[in-house]
Amino acid sequence: EVQLLESGGGLVQPGGSLRLSCAASGFTFTIFAMTWVRQAPGKGLEWVSSISATSGSIYYADSVKGRFTISRDNSKNTLYLQMNTLRAEDSAVYYCAKGTENKWWLFDYWGQGTLVTVSS
Amino acid sequence: EIVMTQSPATLSVSPGERGTLSCRASQSVSSNLAWYQQKPGQAPRLLIYGASTRATGIPARFSGSGSGTEFSLIISSLQSEDFAVYYCHQYNNWPLTFGGGTKVEIK
Repeated sequence: EVQLLESGGGLVQPGGSLRLSCAASGFTFTIFAMTWVRQAPGKGLEWVSSISATSGSIYYADSVKGRFTISRDNSKNTLYLQMNTLRAEDSAVYYCAKGTENKWWLFDYWGQGTLVTVSS
Repeated sequence: EIVMTQSPATLSVSPGERGTLSCRASQSVSSNLAWYQQKPGQAPRLLIYGASTRATGIPARFSGSGSGTEFSLIISSLQSEDFAVYYCHQYNNWPLTFGGGTKVEIK
């Protein structure tokens, strides 16, 4: 059974940093692209960042470029999102999502999310 | 950036009735269009990909159609568990984008 378990969310002051993790199990993590998607309270889904299986291709939304860094450790089956210079508008539930074999940026499994609140 | 526009924002339907949700892309996304269902407090669930292919375990009452810029999700006979928010998602171009969602509520 595919499982994605996010962690690392919490309350942080504006300008602060957080590192999110997504522990994957139930599939061969090393061959699938992974993505972070966020959802502000009561709002829709917003793509944040994606990384290919080998980390050779990385993409960011303009809203987080230069502040967030996506990475993965295939030896630990874990995806990361380092978030720096956080702003109030970054407050959201952050989901990690697994790509499919044929379409890397189509998401067939999602974690339950971790809540990030940026507030003083 | 490809803008995905969903309509209506809210769809009020009685159980057993048919519901039709629309998604329009600001430029062609070919058939690289997916639909997700999200219930309160839950993660999104993949329903349809490739515009018309049901994901594993998705009931046959869900069907998708369209290509290019116009897409539809049809729920043939709404069940109580289908009342949720539905999002379309294009995975044809960067940045990846989602529609604003359609909330399907009980009439």
